[in-house]
Amino acid sequence: KNQVEQSPQSLIILEGKNCTLQCNYTVSPFSNLRWYKQDTGRGPVSLTIMTFSENTKSNGRYTATLDADTKQSSLHITASQLSDSASYICVVSANMEYGNKLVFGAGTILRVKS
Amino acid sequence: DGGITQSPKYLFRKEGQNVTLSCEQNLNHDAMYWYRQDPGQGLRLIYYSQIVNDFQKGDIAEGYSVSREKKESFPLTVTSAQKNPTAFYLCASSWGGTNTGELFFGEGSRLTVL
Repeated sequence: KNQVEQSPQSLIILEGKNCTLQCNYTVSPFSNLRWYKQDTGRGPVSLTIMTFSENTKSNGRYTATLDADTKQSSLHITASQLSDSASYICVVSANMEYGNKLVFGAGTILRVKS
Repeated sequence: DGGITQSPKYLFRKEGQNVTLSCEQNLNHDAMYWYRQDPGQGLRLIYYSQIVNDFQKGDIAEGYSVSREKKESFPLTVTSAQKNPTAFYLCASSWGGTNTGELFFGEGSRLTVL
């Protein structure tokens, strides 16, 4: 069964600290993995898209890693800011016969405190 | 500015009523999607459309209907047949069909059944 599991479910950190969010998946056949940031009551915004051959991808203070062998990804946030408070969603794309199917994780809720 | 506009932002419905959520995009994207988001769950696909006058059921299409008469517009009707319609609804679009390209999301519509 195609699944995406994210951990932790929620996380509280102090402003300026780093944190790492985890994503494990069983989606097959793999096409790409995406991380989105969703502010409360808003639509998700893309942070990164990684294909099978990419191990690391950065977008400012956000760095995503991908280990396609172990089917794990992480999102590292450096020097967190209050504006980083949001839900972070991992999405894995399966390369199906009719096209790509997206499987969404439930998200990790991050709260950055001052 | 280019983007996706969803309306209304908040909607209240009495049981037994149909409601229609609007989604308009000016990104010139071919593909459009409707997702449902519930607390603690990943986004689930309701319907998607790759071209005008064509659309396909997603994973949870029962109780919903759509139309795609124009490239820019993809309205979603939540019918009285949908047993648990209270949720956050997200419209998205992409360049490529069937999730091959990056997804751009609207700001969402929150539907509450009274």
